[in-house]
Amino acid sequence: EVQLVESGGGLVQPGGSLRLSCAASGFTFSSNAMNWVRQAPGKGLEWVSGISNSGGSRYYADSVKGRFTISRDNSKNTLYLQMNSLRAEDTAIYYCAKDVGTGGPGRIDSWGQGTLVTVSS
Amino acid sequence: SSELTQDPAVSVALGQTVRITCQGDILGSYYASWYQQKPGQAPELVMFGMNNRPSGIPDRFSGSSSGNTASLTITGAQAEDEADYYCNSRDSSGNRLVFGGGTKLTVL
Repeated sequence: EVQLVESGGGLVQPGGSLRLSCAASGFTFSSNAMNWVRQAPGKGLEWVSGISNSGGSRYYADSVKGRFTISRDNSKNTLYLQMNSLRAEDTAIYYCAKDVGTGGPGRIDSWGQGTLVTVSS
Repeated sequence: SSELTQDPAVSVALGQTVRITCQGDILGSYYASWYQQKPGQAPELVMFGMNNRPSGIPDRFSGSSSGNTASLTITGAQAEDEADYYCNSRDSSGNRLVFGGGTKLTVL
């Protein structure tokens, strides 16, 4: 059974930084691309970033490009999202999501339970 | 355009059939996927491709696509189907994903 467990969320001041982690199990982590998707309180889903199975290709939404960095450690079965220069509008639940493919973002077939990031002074 | 448009809310009587639609130019190039999200829970994939259900999804869920419109149909809606439903696909660059705004389904 696929399990994705996010951690690292919390309260951070505007302009601050946070690093999210996602521990994966139940599948061969190095065989799948991965994504981060967020959901602001009471709002819909927004794709944030994706990374290929090898980590060699990374993709970002315009809203976070230049501020967020996605990475992965296939030896630790872990996905990361480094978030810098955080803004109030980045407040959301951040979901780690497994892709069915290996390259660019394609189709998400499994989701973690999410971790809440709150940007506020 | 890579935007996906969904009706904000739809209702259906218990046991009846409901269709949830998703419109976007990009759907002429890519199939949509559909996700169900219940309050306080993570989304769950319920349909992908033309009409493919992941293991464990009831067969009352079906999918279709025509032109720039994708549809998710629930035949014989149950109380447990009450949820938010999101469509998504790749965007025109092929390197990003885009989600529709979501449809809140109420089962009366």
